[in-house]
Amino acid sequence: AQKVTQAQTEISVVEKEDVTLDCVYETRDTTYYLFWYKQPPSGELVFLIRRNSFDEQNEISGRYSWNFQKSTSSFNFTITASQVVDSAVYFCALSEGSSNTGKLIFGQGTTLQVKP
Amino acid sequence: EPEVTQTPSHQVTQMGQEVILRCVPISNHLYFYWYRQILGQKVEFLVSFYNNEISEKSEIFDDQFSVERPDGSNFTLKIRSTKLEDSAMYFCASSPNRGDRNTEAFFGQGTRLTVV
Repeated sequence: AQKVTQAQTEISVVEKEDVTLDCVYETRDTTYYLFWYKQPPSGELVFLIRRNSFDEQNEISGRYSWNFQKSTSSFNFTITASQVVDSAVYFCALSEGSSNTGKLIFGQGTTLQVKP
Repeated sequence: EPEVTQTPSHQVTQMGQEVILRCVPISNHLYFYWYRQILGQKVEFLVSFYNNEISEKSEIFDDQFSVERPDGSNFTLKIRSTKLEDSAMYFCASSPNRGDRNTEAFFGQGTRLTVV
């Protein structure tokens, strides 16, 4: 069965520290898609990244980077030089290729608090 | 930039009352979704809608729930007889395709439903 696990419930760091948010997924599909969303205190879901299962290249976007490793079924997210504005709940999500609807399966979320 | 719009942003209703949550998806999108997030918990898939019919629904989406696209632009979620446990943030999302090919699903800002 499909599942996304974010074992870290809450992380607290001081501004400018690097922080990594872990995501482990389970799926029987060979084709699947992984996502990260940010949910700031205002409540909306902000898309950050999508990765497909055939592309294991790591990606960097500014202070954000993602490490996708199929061997460990992980899709970890690192924020470099964290800022107070990064404080939010971060969700990892999975969409299976066999799904004919594209529904997302979310992890429990990791609450990141960045202190000044 | 096109966006998914949800109204109202906050709805308070008495237990047992019917409530309709409204969404205007992005105009050229074909797939529509409702997700639910109980306070402090993960985002859960409720239902997907394509070609004027439900394409998939979760166990949460029981007979008390229904969806409709009444006029080709709005996409609504109706809860017939609300219960206290229906209190949650409800997110509408839309995608030009199944959300797992070339793009992600775009989420609205959410409607917070409070059942008293």
